Amino acid sequence: AQSVTQLDSQVPVFEEAPVELRCNYSSSVSVYLFWYVQYPNQGLQLLLKYLSGSTLVKGINGFEAEFNKSQTSFHLRKPSVHISDTAEYFCAVSYSGGSYIPTFGRGTSLIVHP
Amino acid sequence: DAGVIQSPRHEVTEMGQEVTLRCKPISGHDYLFWYRQTMMRGLELLIYFNNNVPIDDSGMPEDRFSAKMPNASFSTLKIQPSEPRDSAVYFCASSSTGRGGTDTQYFGPGTRLTVL
Repeated sequence: AQSVTQLDSQVPVFEEAPVELRCNYSSSVSVYLFWYVQYPNQGLQLLLKYLSGSTLVKGINGFEAEFNKSQTSFHLRKPSVHISDTAEYFCAVSYSGGSYIPTFGRGTSLIVHP
Repeated sequence: DAGVIQSPRHEVTEMGQEVTLRCKPISGHDYLFWYRQTMMRGLELLIYFNNNVPIDDSGMPEDRFSAKMPNASFSTLKIQPSEPRDSAVYFCASSSTGRGGTDTQYFGPGTRLTVL
């Protein structure tokens, strides 16, 4: 069964500092990877996704993620965070040979301090 | 498009009462998902539909939970009888078929359920 591990449940960081949110998935031949963001009292919305091609994926709000097949990772990064980036971030994976339904990680709470 | 619409946004009820949560997916989407989010268990997939047909309900916690999708624009999640441990935020999401596994899920704002 597919699985996703988000290694950090909470990441505190100061405003304008860089941040990396880690995501690892269980290995498979072909994967599709997603990062979603959930702002307080809202539903999840897509930040970015990797389907194929370039391993560096750029998303909304200045976020980017890098697909690393050898390390089965898809870490999310932002060079300089803002207070407004405070939110819950979810990594998700689906497999081309599976049910096509994504599996979500437990989420990482990003807390940006002024 | 207005996005995925859920109602009510907040529901407070007493143990033993029936609760019905409603969802209107994005027009043209043929997949619909119901999720439950709690601090303890994170985001759990309860059930999903494809073309109004339930495909996998293995995430439904017990027989007290049931879901229906009578047409492409409406779905309900019902809890009868409700219990305090059902307190959570329930999300509905929809997506379109496209290439399998590649599709973005669009989430509604959620229904915050409190069972006293």
